Amino acid sequence: SAVISQKPSRDICQRGTSLTIQCQVDSQVTMMFWYRQQPGQSLTLIATANQGSEATYESGFVIDKFPISRPNLTFSTLTVSNMSPEDSSIYLCSVEANIGNEQFFGPGTRLTVL
Amino acid sequence: DQQVKQNSPSLSVQEGRISILNCDYTNSMFDYFLWYKKYPAEGPTFLISISSIKDKNEDGRFTVFLNKSAKHLSLHIVPSQPGDSAVYFCAASGDSGAGSYQLTFGKGTKLSVIP
Repeated sequence: SAVISQKPSRDICQRGTSLTIQCQVDSQVTMMFWYRQQPGQSLTLIATANQGSEATYESGFVIDKFPISRPNLTFSTLTVSNMSPEDSSIYLCSVEANIGNEQFFGPGTRLTVL
Repeated sequence: DQQVKQNSPSLSVQEGRISILNCDYTNSMFDYFLWYKKYPAEGPTFLISISSIKDKNEDGRFTVFLNKSAKHLSLHIVPSQPGDSAVYFCAASGDSGAGSYQLTFGKGTKLSVIP
């Protein structure tokens, strides 16, 4: 299994500001994913972060709002830009297991936007 | 449109009894199904999975059943223990074409096991 850490674990932010969430994995992985879990909702995939290329965004998510960096095989960042209260959510990064279809998740970042 | 549905938001079960968590899906391209368990303030952890070529997979106290014709799967926990109290997410995946198996999650079912 992979050990994944996220920073910050939680934050309270003002409307209109931006927050960058960091995800660190203890092993090299090809695919990293960013998910959002809004209260009472499913875990929703935001984008897939590939090393050396632009992230692939799911329908309803755009790069200007959620820019992603993937500078190497163990690290990625997700920025939530120009935040509004609707962005209050838990943001999770995850990686695929090298064998099989299982995914491993970070502990999540709980974001509250006032 | 929700492709993976968990219609019971919560479930309470007595310790020692069986817990049955249900999940329905609509996308016939899904060929791999997973259950995750999530404790408060932690990320989801993988629990058990099943491929569409099987109809049952067992791991200790946990068994997952898949009914492809009904597009339905269920997770059985026997016997249930208080430590099993958590939110359980059903997830489904199929090859997106890029060799990556992106997951689609249900909304989760909160299981409470009463001592």
